[in-house]
Amino acid sequence: KQEVTQIPAALSVPEGENLVLNCSFTDSAIYNLQWFRQDPGKGLTSLLLIQSSQREQTSGRLNASLDKSSGRSTLYIAASQPGDSATYLCAVYSGKLIFGQGTTLQVKP
Amino acid sequence: GAGVSQTPSNKVTEKGKYVELRCDPISGHTALYWYRQSLGQGPEFLIYFQGTGAADDSGLPNDRFFAVRPEGSVSTLKIQRTERGDSAVYLCASSSYARLAGGPKGAKNIQYFGAGTRLSVL
Repeated sequence: KQEVTQIPAALSVPEGENLVLNCSFTDSAIYNLQWFRQDPGKGLTSLLLIQSSQREQTSGRLNASLDKSSGRSTLYIAASQPGDSATYLCAVYSGKLIFGQGTTLQVKP
Repeated sequence: GAGVSQTPSNKVTEKGKYVELRCDPISGHTALYWYRQSLGQGPEFLIYFQGTGAADDSGLPNDRFFAVRPEGSVSTLKIQRTERGDSAVYLCASSSYARLAGGPKGAKNIQYFGAGTRLSVL
């Protein structure tokens, strides 16, 4: 059974810091891995999708990596801003999305 | 519409009552998913529709939960005899790709989520 774990559960950083969110999964038989952002009371917004054959994807200040063999992914956020404050969810897709429990990020001005 | 729409945004009901939650997917999307998100947790898969048929309902917790998609577009999640433990945010997502599409379609499958319905059972 696929299990997805995210560490840390919560993170608070001052504005401008670079930071890394971690995601691990137990079954490497996936089509892709996705990182989502969720704001309070809102739905999920897809940030980055890494196909199983890829190693990383970049979008603006975000960079996500995927190491299928070790069952790990990281989301790197450069030069964090208060507007980045949200919950970040990692999910692996193998016919259905299996989510981690999320990392709640607070970026202080 | 431009995105996935879910109504109502909030629903408060009493234990034992029946509720219906509605999802309008992105126009043209054949795949539709329901998820349930409890406080502090990630969403958990409930059911997947491809067109009108429920292709995978393995995530439904028990027979009090049922979902339909009669015309292959709008879907309704139905919960009978609600319990306090059913309180959660119910999320709907749609995709233009079939769930087990192989190759590039499977690898690029992106699900677009609605804002969810927050269900509170008192």
